[in-house]
Amino acid sequence: QKEVEQNSGPLSVPEGAIASLNCTYSDRGSQSFFWYRQYSGKSPELIMFIYSNGDKEDGRFTAQLNKASQYVSLLIRDSQPSDSATYLCAVTRGSSNTGKLIFGQGTTLQVKP
Amino acid sequence: GAVVSQHPSRVICKSGTSVKIECRSLDFQATTMFWYRQFPKQSLMLMATSNEGSKATYEQGVEKDKFLINHASLTLSTLTVTSAHPEDSSFYICSAMGQDRLFFGSGTQLSVL
Repeated sequence: QKEVEQNSGPLSVPEGAIASLNCTYSDRGSQSFFWYRQYSGKSPELIMFIYSNGDKEDGRFTAQLNKASQYVSLLIRDSQPSDSATYLCAVTRGSSNTGKLIFGQGTTLQVKP
Repeated sequence: GAVVSQHPSRVICKSGTSVKIECRSLDFQATTMFWYRQFPKQSLMLMATSNEGSKATYEQGVEKDKFLINHASLTLSTLTVTSAHPEDSSFYICSAMGQDRLFFGSGTQLSVL
């Protein structure tokens, strides 16, 4: 079982729709959860982080965390073609926030005009 | 925001040569830096944790004698790929903890001929 699992996609949504990206993780001790966006050939850039159960909203992005189900998701409202990228879910290993992140394989999102 | 500079961005080398990649935290001190490797269409895989003034901690399966890490100061970590082979061709990315967040360098695309 992979430590962090994502559906590789591609996930295709029309412009203006809501894109829903999902991630599950295996380490119940993980405390910090991150969503990164990565364009081809570039480094990841942080979109959202979430530490507590529930929802966290930032502009068009909402992260959702359910530690009991070991599940974290990212919703992108009003999707734009510029949102087309690979979205990486990352979690900290264990309970410490040392910065050591374990990444999922990423979900490719395609937003069609 | 904090900035992590990585150099070079791209390097092409012959098989058997060594390549050094630098990672600098420009406006903050980083006692810990991380090195990741990413093969095409795959996620980031943590290679090692670089600790200032002490030996690096390598992830399982990563050869410490092949991937030499030096973290001699609070702002600089280097990764040297020794006796590079074509299978070492990959995207190498460093990151550093600053302001309770992880910041990524811009990455180095290594191509070994």
